[in-house]
Amino acid sequence: DGGITQSPKYLFRKEGQNVTLSCEQNLNHDAMYWYRQDPGQGLRLIYYSQIVNDFQKGDIAEGYSVSREKKESFPLTVTSAQKNPTAFYLCASSIAGLGSTDTQYFGPGTRLTVL
Amino acid sequence: AQKVTQAQTEISVVEKEDVTLDCVYETRDTTYYLFWYKQPPSGELVFLIRRNSFDEQNEISGRYSWNFQKSTSSFNFTITASQVVDSAVYFCALRPGANSKLTFGKGITLSVRP
Repeated sequence: DGGITQSPKYLFRKEGQNVTLSCEQNLNHDAMYWYRQDPGQGLRLIYYSQIVNDFQKGDIAEGYSVSREKKESFPLTVTSAQKNPTAFYLCASSIAGLGSTDTQYFGPGTRLTVL
Repeated sequence: AQKVTQAQTEISVVEKEDVTLDCVYETRDTTYYLFWYKQPPSGELVFLIRRNSFDEQNEISGRYSWNFQKSTSSFNFTITASQVVDSAVYFCALRPGANSKLTFGKGITLSVRP
């Protein structure tokens, strides 16, 4: 089945630790995105990548880092510099990037809790 | 600047009632796209519909229908004969032009009681 997978579903982190969230897609989409969702809020864009080996900051990139070494993978690292990392993180992909009007499709999300 | 307003935060209905979820948007672009997504308790956002600014025809898909009115900058979503499985958070989103990011509303939590 084609789709987007995110792992783990739940993640707990101690303060001061970096943690990496996985996102994989087998839809052959060029573009991938990371969003953050807080309770009662809409989604906010953290980073996006329109092509392999290239990525851009979204609206709330501080304290996060990404890489795009493979077309199907776009991992997100939440660093210790992120002051309030507890949130629900959603990964998405689309056929082409922001220069197109393609629909973004989402993965199941990772719920990160900082203890 | 782009903005999406979903003024209703929570709606509760009894099964089989019809319910309308409101979405009002702001953009200065003449070309833009509007979306609705459903987020069930599992968390994944499920794509429901995409509409471009040049197509004001209403759309119906089973029990779902959408009413797009440029005159009032609204893109409302109606569920007819609601079911418990419709319980979810529903997001409206806007992409103005071809080189812009998706802007989401804050979502509407719909609870359908048996």
